[in-house]
Formats: sequence, structure tokens, C-alpha cells
Amino acid sequence: SQQGEEDPQALSIQEGENATMNCSYKTSINNLQWYRQNSGRGLVHLILIRSNEREKHSGRLRVTLDTSKKSSSLLITASRAADTASYFCALLNQAGTALIFGKGTTLSVSS
Amino acid sequence: EPEVTQTPSHQVTQMGQEVILRCVPISNHLYFYWYRQILGQKVEFLVSFYNNEISEKSEIFDDQFSVERPDGSNFTLKIRSTKLEDSAMYFCASNRQGIGQGANVLTFGAGSRLTVL
Repeated sequence: SQQGEEDPQALSIQEGENATMNCSYKTSINNLQWYRQNSGRGLVHLILIRSNEREKHSGRLRVTLDTSKKSSSLLITASRAADTASYFCALLNQAGTALIFGKGTTLSVSS
Repeated sequence: EPEVTQTPSHQVTQMGQEVILRCVPISNHLYFYWYRQILGQKVEFLVSFYNNEISEKSEIFDDQFSVERPDGSNFTLKIRSTKLEDSAMYFCASNRQGIGQGANVLTFGAGSRLTVL
């Protein structure tokens, strides 16, 4: 079934460093989304990138999409302790009727 | 900013008991969803709901689960006879235009933690 797989599973960095996490998928897509989940909380939508887009920015977030490699990356620049969270990519299922989440990357940013 | 509200935030129940989790979606949203996240695992889709009907459900959403929109604001998930493995965070989500219509960004609630003893 269509599901993104994030890599790495866990990432630990210092404040001020950049964090990059990746999402790979198997079938063609219309768009791909990234969500953040703070510990014990719900998911918050960060950014959506369409299949005809290669790069998108939102504040300190930069998302790229390579449909030929079936992969996307999320870059958080100049990370802060408040960026500590799990990050998920999300794709439509094959039928286009449900949004399916990957297992996520757990980011820890230490000050 | 509009929010999806879920209650209770935490419920502890005995195995075999019925549980109802409640959600108040954003007022002008028409599509509603339940997801589940077992501790430390991925967020799993359970069911989507539109126009008082289930639109899509996953394999997890078996006969012990049901959803209902009993009035104009609430959206509920009922688990008829809870099992130990139902212990998880349950997230409600909503959006205005529906998943397959190009506007598939979801707004999530903070979740209801269910602990089955």
C-alpha cells in the first residue's frame, strides 16, 4: 500500500544546526505532505508539495520532491529546541480516499 | 485559529467495556477522520466519514468500531468491547473539501489517550 518511509528513524542535533529527513515512496503521487507531532500531541500540517513542484519553502522549512526517485526531503534550517518533535510524511492511499502516514523521524534538538 | 477538539484527553477502562471518544471538528468542515497511534508506532488511518456515511475504512476498523455524527457538531468513535490492544492515542481530524479533491490537508485534534486494563 502507499506509505512513505521516513529516514532516518531518529536524528539528534545541536541548536543552530540544520536537520534533514527524507521520505521515500513507491507509487506515483499527486502531492506529498509533511506533518509535525510534538510529544503526546496531535499532528500539525507543515507543508504540501505538489508533484509538479520541485522545491517549496515555508519559513525555516524547505521541502524538495524528486518524483523520478520517488523521494522527498524536509530540511529545517537553524534548528531550535522547539523543533524537537516527530516528523511524518503523508501520502494519499492508492484509491485517493485516505491520507496515510509513515513511521516518522524523531528529531531531538539540544541546546 | 479554529481547532478540532477531542474529549476525553485520557480515558482508562477495563477490558470488555464500551468506550466513546468525542470530537468536535472545525465548524465549516465536512469530512471527518479517525486515526490511531499505538505508543511509539506510526499513525494509522481508521475511518473517514462524510455526509453521515463512512467513506473509507481500514482493516483495523472492524465490527467493534463504529462512528457517528449524533448532532451538528460532534463526531464520535465507539469501541464496543475494548481489548488490551486498543490502548492507543486516537486522533480525530477534519477538512473542508475531502481527501480526494486536491485539498487533502487535515487539521488534527490533540488526541484522546485510551488505556485498556
